[in-house]
Amino acid sequence: NAGVTQTPKFRVLKTGQSMTLLCAQDMNHEYMYWYRQDPGMGLRLIHYSVGEGTTAKGEVPDGYNVSRLKKQNFLLGLESAAPSQTSVYFCASSYGTGQGYTFGSGTRLTVV
Amino acid sequence: KNQVEQSPQSLIILEGKNCTLQCNYTVSPFSNLRWYKQDTGRGPVSLTIMTFSENTKSNGRYTATLDADTKQSSLHITASQLSDSASYICVVTDLVYNQGGKLIFGQGTELSVKP
Repeated sequence: NAGVTQTPKFRVLKTGQSMTLLCAQDMNHEYMYWYRQDPGMGLRLIHYSVGEGTTAKGEVPDGYNVSRLKKQNFLLGLESAAPSQTSVYFCASSYGTGQGYTFGSGTRLTVV
Repeated sequence: KNQVEQSPQSLIILEGKNCTLQCNYTVSPFSNLRWYKQDTGRGPVSLTIMTFSENTKSNGRYTATLDADTKQSSLHITASQLSDSASYICVVTDLVYNQGGKLIFGQGTELSVKP
C-alpha cells in the first residue's frame, strides 16, 4: 500500500546507545518531517526536509540528527540516547506546506 | 506564543449520538486549519483542511467549521459509531514558516463511543 513506512515499530535502548529510525515514502513527496508525541502534548517537530539533500531544524532538534540522501527516505538518528527521548516518533510527508500530510504509524521508543 | 487549545480533553458519548469538539487558536497569520483523527497506536489521518476563507468543510459524518475572526473551529460528528473512538487533533499551519510547514498541534480530544 502507498504511504509512509516507519521502521522499527518498537525499540528499547539503554542510555547512551545510538540508533537510527527509518522513514520511507513512495508518494514522491518533496517534504518530509519527524515529530515526537508525548503524553498531554501536541506533536512537536524535530527536523524536517524540503527536498533531497536538505534538512532543517524544527522545534525540538537537540539530541537528534537527520539525513535525506534519497528523496524517498528520511532518517532520524539518536547518537546518545537519553531517558528524555522516550517517546513515540512519527514521520510524515507532503507535497508542500499547504497540502495534506501523510503520517506513518509511529515508532515507540523507550530509553532506560 | 502561537497556541492551539482543544476542548474538552476527553468525551464519552453513546453510539448514534452527535458530538462537537472545539478548537481555539492564537496562530497569526495562519495558512490553514486541519482536523486529524488518530486511532490508538496509529499515526494521525487527515479529516479536513480549511483555508482562512472557508467556513465549513465536510467529510462524510464529519463536518468542520471555521471562524477566522474569532479564531475558533469545531468538528461535529454525526451519528457516532464505535469506530469513531479516537483522538481528534486540531492543527494550524503557521504562515510565517513558508518552508517545512510549521504545523502547530493541539493536545487532542480523546473521544470514546460506547455501545
